Amino acid sequence: EAQVTQNPRYLITVTGKKLTVTCSQNMNHEYMSWYRQDPGLGLRQIYYSMNVEVTDKGDVPEGYKVSRKEKRNFPLILESPSPNQTSLYFCASSAPRGIGTGELFFGEGSRLTVL
Amino acid sequence: SQKIEQNSEALNIQEGKTATLTCNYTNYSPAYLQWYRQDPGRGPVFLLLIRENEKEKRKERLKVTFDTTLKQSLFHITASQPADSATYLCALHTGGFKTIFGAGTRLFVKA
Repeated sequence: EAQVTQNPRYLITVTGKKLTVTCSQNMNHEYMSWYRQDPGLGLRQIYYSMNVEVTDKGDVPEGYKVSRKEKRNFPLILESPSPNQTSLYFCASSAPRGIGTGELFFGEGSRLTVL
Repeated sequence: SQKIEQNSEALNIQEGKTATLTCNYTNYSPAYLQWYRQDPGRGPVFLLLIRENEKEKRKERLKVTFDTTLKQSLFHITASQPADSATYLCALHTGGFKTIFGAGTRLFVKA
């Protein structure tokens, strides 16, 4: 089954404690992206990756890091989480632009609370 | 500044009626536009794509229009059902690698 898998689904942590949210896709997609979703603000792009070892900032990259060492994985790293990073996070992937509909496949989301 | 606006207020309609959701944008020249459905606690799911040179696209009970002059897309669900109740998101692709989403409109279909 084609899917994007995120872990953990739920996490409560404290300010400053480094954490990583993993994302893995099994569709051999080149493009992967991270979004955060907050009430009234919708989905905002954090970082995206066009391929292995190629990443770029989205609209809200501050406080986050990413890496793309393998095609299937795109972890999101919060080096020193702060309460304003409390949010619902989504990982997404898609086939290269220009192929098909450019449909984004989303994971089930990771709800993060930073105390 | 660049903006995508969807009705922030929920849309309540009766079963069997047509639901119409609006997506307006400013300061973008999107190559294409997508609509997604999101259920509570779940990730968005792709529904339809419409390109800048297309006026209308249909898929079963769904219809999307795209007016690049008005900078507006309309999303219609005909013969709506309670199972159509969800949040609907529009997303713009500007030709680069960014996908910009609207905040979404919640739709409630009453039986």
